[in-house]
Amino acid sequence: DVQLVESGGGLVQPGGSLRLSCATSGFSFRSYEMNWVRQAPGKGLEWVSYISSSGDTIYYADSVKGRFTISRDNAQSSLYLQMNSLRAEDTAIYYCAREGVLGGSGAFYAFDIWGQGTVVTASS
Amino acid sequence: QSVLTQPPSVSGAPGQRVAISCTGSSSNIGANFNVHWYQQLPGTAPKLLIYGNNNRPSGVPDRFSGSRSGPSASLAITGLQAEDEADYYCQSYDSSLSGVVFGGGTKLTVL
Repeated sequence: DVQLVESGGGLVQPGGSLRLSCATSGFSFRSYEMNWVRQAPGKGLEWVSYISSSGDTIYYADSVKGRFTISRDNAQSSLYLQMNSLRAEDTAIYYCAREGVLGGSGAFYAFDIWGQGTVVTASS
Repeated sequence: QSVLTQPPSVSGAPGQRVAISCTGSSSNIGANFNVHWYQQLPGTAPKLLIYGNNNRPSGVPDRFSGSRSGPSASLAITGLQAEDEADYYCQSYDSSLSGVVFGGGTKLTVL
């Protein structure tokens, strides 16, 4: 079974740091691009960050640029998100999501597998 | 405010058809970037429902269909069932933001 399992969430004071992990299994992790997506309480989905299969290409949403760092360990089949200088508005469920290559010709890239999420609360 | 605009809510009776719109602009859907749709049941992670504008992953019933025209896309659900009650999100790519964008989400209520 293909699985993504996030961990590392918790309660942290504003200005603090957390490191999220996403352990994967059931597929060739090194072949897939990966993303982090978050959802604030009662709100919609917000894309946070992307990393290519090799880790060479990385993108961030403007809201987290300069504070968050995405990384991956292909040998361990794991994805990470280092979150520094946390703010109250970073409070959310954080999901890791696989970017699957879909369609007969492999023409489409969509988030085809999601983890169950880990809760991050930045509050004093 | 989300880059992609969806109605906050739609509703329909069992067996009816509903449609959820997703309106973008010339830097995302209007620029021919593909649209994907996700279903999020209460208390669960999102699930891919439609990819590449109008394709269903295996296991998704053919009651769900997608379309795209110009800067907008639409998700249609026919033969509404109680289990379809969920939040639905559209997603695309925005060249101005150089990143993935989501719609604000639409809550579907089955009356």
